[in-house]
Amino acid sequence: AQSVTQLDSHVSVSEGTPVLLRCNYSSSYSPSLFWYVQHPNKGLQLLLKYTSAATLVKGINGFEAEFKKSETSFHLTKPSAHMSDAAEYFCVAQGNTGFQKLVFGTGTRLLVSP
Amino acid sequence: KAGVTQTPRYLIKTRGQQVTLSCSPISGHRSVSWYQQTPGQGLQFLFEYFSETQRNKGNFPGRFSGRQFSNSRSEMNVSTLELGDSALYLCASSSVGGSLQETQYFGPGTRLLVL
Repeated sequence: AQSVTQLDSHVSVSEGTPVLLRCNYSSSYSPSLFWYVQHPNKGLQLLLKYTSAATLVKGINGFEAEFKKSETSFHLTKPSAHMSDAAEYFCVAQGNTGFQKLVFGTGTRLLVSP
Repeated sequence: KAGVTQTPRYLIKTRGQQVTLSCSPISGHRSVSWYQQTPGQGLQFLFEYFSETQRNKGNFPGRFSGRQFSNSRSEMNVSTLELGDSALYLCASSSVGGSLQETQYFGPGTRLLVL
């Protein structure tokens, strides 16, 4: 069985400073990995996805994530936070069973102060 | 293309009632999955439909059921509602449904409150 662990429930940054949201996965194989963002009272928006083509994945809004198999990590970063980045972020794994079930981390709430 | 749409956006029901939620996938998408989001349990997989067949099911009681129509639209039904069923119900669609790496696109959700 696969699992996803988001290491921080809350992360606070100042506008213009770097963002780091940490995610570790556990799986007997290399799953597909995603980061989704959820703004208040909204659905989930895909930020980026890793599917083994390249270890450094670039997403929307300046976010990127690096897949490190040796560390079983898939951390999300952004060089400079913007106020509009304040939201909840989910690290997600998808299995290789042919079904579409996603396994979600518990989420990290990003707070951005002026 | 229009995104995934869910109706209604908000619902208030009382214990013991039943409810039906609707999801229209992105045009051309054949797979529809449902998820429940609560503060305590986070996001949990309910079930997935592809070509009108349920292909996978999460660990939810039989009160939770769903179906998919020939146009790929999906409904989920919850019977005999309990207070703990209060949640945001999210629907996601993906294109083929058989590939291992299909990205799921989510709708805005239906927020259900059970009183």
